[in-house]
Formats: sequence, structure tokens, C-alpha cells
Amino acid sequence: GAGVSQSPSNKVTEKGKDVELRCDPISGHTALYWYRQSLGQGLEFLIYFQGNSAPDKSGLPSDRFSAERTGGSVSTLTIQRTQQEDSAVYLCASSLDVYAQYFGPGTRLTVT
Amino acid sequence: DAKTTQPPSMDCAEGRAANLPCNHSTISGNEYVYWYRQIHSQGPQYIIHGLKNNETNEMASLIITEDRKSSTLILPHATLRDTAVYYCIVRNNNDMRFGAGTRLTVKP
Repeated sequence: GAGVSQSPSNKVTEKGKDVELRCDPISGHTALYWYRQSLGQGLEFLIYFQGNSAPDKSGLPSDRFSAERTGGSVSTLTIQRTQQEDSAVYLCASSLDVYAQYFGPGTRLTVT
Repeated sequence: DAKTTQPPSMDCAEGRAANLPCNHSTISGNEYVYWYRQIHSQGPQYIIHGLKNNETNEMASLIITEDRKSSTLILPHATLRDTAVYYCIVRNNNDMRFGAGTRLTVKP
């Protein structure tokens, strides 16, 4: 079946511009997560959505970062006024229960 | 900070069992141990998880010590395609804290 998909796969943007990253979770998965991974580093938790509950935003590094999940399905991660330190791979994952998360291929963001 | 400690790298001969250790001495009673792996340029892949008992699935086995302070992921017959970074994670609510992991290299 279809897995988690993310778009775009690569994004190059100029410093100061806003970017939107999209995640399509596995159909029926109620939970959705965003992470980022800097080069050679582990994953950094950003935000978590579960059903209609208020999202857990505890991992967002600054107020330039925001995310929404429309209709309990597709999610968009928005980074405003991008900085060079925002360059990373942004990974989305979804899960049906509290156990296994299934990851997408990621979006590689490069801020020049 | 990650709540787990893993060796940074390991090698394994193709066809042999790969045993990847993980220390999680501060684990709480209701926290699960999860294993994921990440093959170069791909998103992490779920492997297995456990609480107290040993677990086995089609990918691997997970051995958790009785005191739950450490665990071992076993790939029974490693193949070249198992070369990846393996992450041991103790789940704390929604925050799956991935550490640096163990880079496993399977050699022919």
C-alpha cells in the first residue's frame, strides 16, 4: 500500500524567504509527526498531531516554525524567514497506534 | 538528551548474526524500547519494539534484560542491505528522541 509521501523532495530557498513542506500520511493513520535531521545528526522532534487534539508543539525551535494538519490528514510545515541553520532534511511520520511510526522519504531543505 | 547509549559503529560479516547493544539505565517502568534503522538517504524504518519480554518479528529479535537497563537487537542473518544506522529509542510520550545510533556495516 501507499506509504507516507512528502513534497517537495528537495527545496532550495534564499535566506529570509518562507517555505512550505507537505506531508501526506498513510490513510487512516491518526497520528502525524514532524522531525528534522541535520547532516550527520540524529532526528530532532518538532511537532505531533493526534486526531482532533491540540498538537504537541514542544519541539518547534522558534516561532518561525508552524504546522497545521487539515481534516486530520495532510499536514503542512511552514518555516518563515528561513535562516541557513534551518537547512536540514525534514521528515514526516504517521502512525495508527502508539507504537510504530512510518516515515516518509523526507524533504531536503537548503537555505542559501 | 537521548536516554540511550549505543556504540557508534559495528561491523558484521554477511550471513552472520548482528548483535547491536543498547544501554538505557534510566528507563521508566512504562517506557518502551524501540528500534529503528535508517539506510542512507532514506527515512527511518521501524524494526521492533518491546516493554519487558523478548520480541521477535520477521526482521529481527529484541532481547531486553530482566532489569530493563539494556537490550540487544539481533539480526539473525545479516545481509549487505542491512547496512544502516540503527537507533535504539526509549519512548517518552510523543518525543521519540533519536540519538546518534550505531552505524552497522555488513561486509561480504
